[in-house]
Amino acid sequence: GDSVTQMEGPVTLSEEAFLTINCTYTATGYPSLFWYVQYPGEGLQLLLKATKADDKGSNKGFEATYRKETTSFHLEKGSVQVSDSAVYFCAPHFGAGGTSYGKLTFGQGTILTVHP
Amino acid sequence: NAGVTQTPKFRVLKTGQSMTLLCAQDMNHEYMYWYRQDPGMGLRLIHYSVGEGTTAKGEVPDGYNVSRLKKQNFLLGLESAAPSQTSVYFCASSRGRDTQYFGPGTRLTVL
Repeated sequence: GDSVTQMEGPVTLSEEAFLTINCTYTATGYPSLFWYVQYPGEGLQLLLKATKADDKGSNKGFEATYRKETTSFHLEKGSVQVSDSAVYFCAPHFGAGGTSYGKLTFGQGTILTVHP
Repeated sequence: NAGVTQTPKFRVLKTGQSMTLLCAQDMNHEYMYWYRQDPGMGLRLIHYSVGEGTTAKGEVPDGYNVSRLKKQNFLLGLESAAPSQTSVYFCASSRGRDTQYFGPGTRLTVL
């Protein structure tokens, strides 16, 4: 069945370090792919998205590319800041089409802590 | 423009008590959702609605009921709370099957 696997954390980095959080999925079709971020004490908010193969989503210095060949959507940032400390969720939207809502499926989340 | 709001922010219940969580959105979105968030498990969909007067079951619907009498509101009810329902509950809304916008969450503890 459709599923998502996200790199487990927690991840601890120093400011200005490079960040990668891995996300892979298994799907019978071609889902839209999302990364959501949850800052402490808040709800989730969209970080970036990609809707078809080879699309690159980007926002706030974060990037992720829809890789159909490897069914992956890894999140990267070249230089993290203390303010990036949060929980990051990979979320494919499986099976949407026609009258079907499909299903937005969340990975288990990766806790990122950035130290000065 | 408040986005998605949730009431209450915190609640403590005793086993067997009932309560209703209220979600409101002012973005005129058709779709609304209720999730629960538990440590190490991401978010799991409880129920959702694709329009006023319609609801559908999600991944973990047992023990919960919902209603969508008005387009802007989506209510989540617990008829007889159990300790296993201790969680953080998030409401979300979307225009169609695109980006979901989340509320700030309700932290519920069932003793």
